[in-house]
Amino acid sequence: GESVGLHLPTLSVQEGDNSIINCAYSNSASDYFIWYKQESGKGPQFIIDIRSNMDKRQGQRVTVLLNKTVKHLSLQIAATQPGDSAVYFCAERGGGGADGLTFGKGTHLIIQP
Amino acid sequence: DAGVIQSPRHEVTEMGQEVTLRCKPISGHNSLFWYRQTMMRGLELLIYFNNNVPIDDSGMPEDRFSAKMPNASFSTLKIQPSEPRDSAVYFCASSLTGVGYTFGSGTRLTVV
Repeated sequence: GESVGLHLPTLSVQEGDNSIINCAYSNSASDYFIWYKQESGKGPQFIIDIRSNMDKRQGQRVTVLLNKTVKHLSLQIAATQPGDSAVYFCAERGGGGADGLTFGKGTHLIIQP
Repeated sequence: DAGVIQSPRHEVTEMGQEVTLRCKPISGHNSLFWYRQTMMRGLELLIYFNNNVPIDDSGMPEDRFSAKMPNASFSTLKIQPSEPRDSAVYFCASSLTGVGYTFGSGTRLTVV
């Protein structure tokens, strides 16, 4: 029979514009967060991480913002390039010594030329 | 470093057969994780090991699934007997004391 898959949120941006991808997490005890990029046929690739005692961290062309009050995480990509097209996942580590990551559903970023 | 290495990249098997997936973590990493990715459920944690010891296997779907880590450089995930609903991409990841989570390229399993 026909299978129904996850309907991933999609964000379409023009090449050169900035992209903002959002993520709501569920566990207020989570102490560490990671953004991953996944291209078709590949494994998740680490982009940037942030610990719960921080609210902002910057990398090369990427910034992660953490708002613990509303349990919200965002990834900002500056000057989006065609190579940024992928599915982006946020992941949280539950804290309390639990090392496993829990992943969000993902956002499909599409770059328009 | 070659990163996390998984084999095989693709596996097609018949229902009822045993399937073994393999993973070599990054040298020096002390934690290893097995994940499953499907369209329906996204990325799910199946089991993880710290220093070769299984810590949390609450994500393992049922008794047909088992995982071992006989040493710091090798782990297996076994499904016996396999069923069509096990079809998915299985990822292995490793980390060092809770940082640097690095994923392998995955094994795409198809059970027919």
